[in-house]
Amino acid sequence: EPEVTQTPSHQVTQMGQEVILRCVPISNHLYFYWYRQILGQKVEFLVSFYNNEISEKSEIFDDQFSVERPDGSNFTLKIRSTKLEDSAMYFCASSPNGGAGYEQFFGPGTRLTVL
Amino acid sequence: SQELEQSPQSLIVQEGKNLTINCTSSKTLYGLYWYKQKYGEGLIFLMMLQKGGEEKSHEKITAKLDEKKQQSSLHITASQPSHAGIYLCGADLLGHSNYQLIWGAGTKLIIKP
Repeated sequence: EPEVTQTPSHQVTQMGQEVILRCVPISNHLYFYWYRQILGQKVEFLVSFYNNEISEKSEIFDDQFSVERPDGSNFTLKIRSTKLEDSAMYFCASSPNGGAGYEQFFGPGTRLTVL
Repeated sequence: SQELEQSPQSLIVQEGKNLTINCTSSKTLYGLYWYKQKYGEGLIFLMMLQKGGEEKSHEKITAKLDEKKQQSSLHITASQPSHAGIYLCGADLLGHSNYQLIWGAGTKLIIKP
């Protein structure tokens, strides 16, 4: 069964460094998402992406963040100049289409630890 | 204010017993999704509800969306250790876009043998 994959599973970085989190969505899906979950808190939406551009982004997704689909399979989240409060589990998701009625398939997550 | 509230926050249930988890919104739920998460891991899709009064079942788990589309319940019958985990409801809410899901805080379910 097709699934969303994410690498690495755990990333440790120093404050101020840049990190790139990688995701491979399900191949025939058109919409891609990033969410994050700070330990013990709610899952929070970051950004959705369709047709090579951002469809929507939350207040969390400021200039520190960027997303890219560099080729036909990968979907990346870049965090420039990481802060301690960026430590969280980052989930990538994809769906065959956007809007209500379409299941979002989640990857296993990347745990980001900023020291 | 909380847009999507889940109750209870945590639940300890004897194996074999039934249980119900609730998800309530002050806004209409355009689409309601139930996911399960094991601590520190990814989200596993359980069910999606869209229509008022809709009910879906998969194995021993039944999810319902009320007629007003503001409340959903997840019911587990004859609970097993494999049901343990964190149950999350996520929703497309009117007033938000159709792309992002808004999430409840989760219900932590522990099954006692």
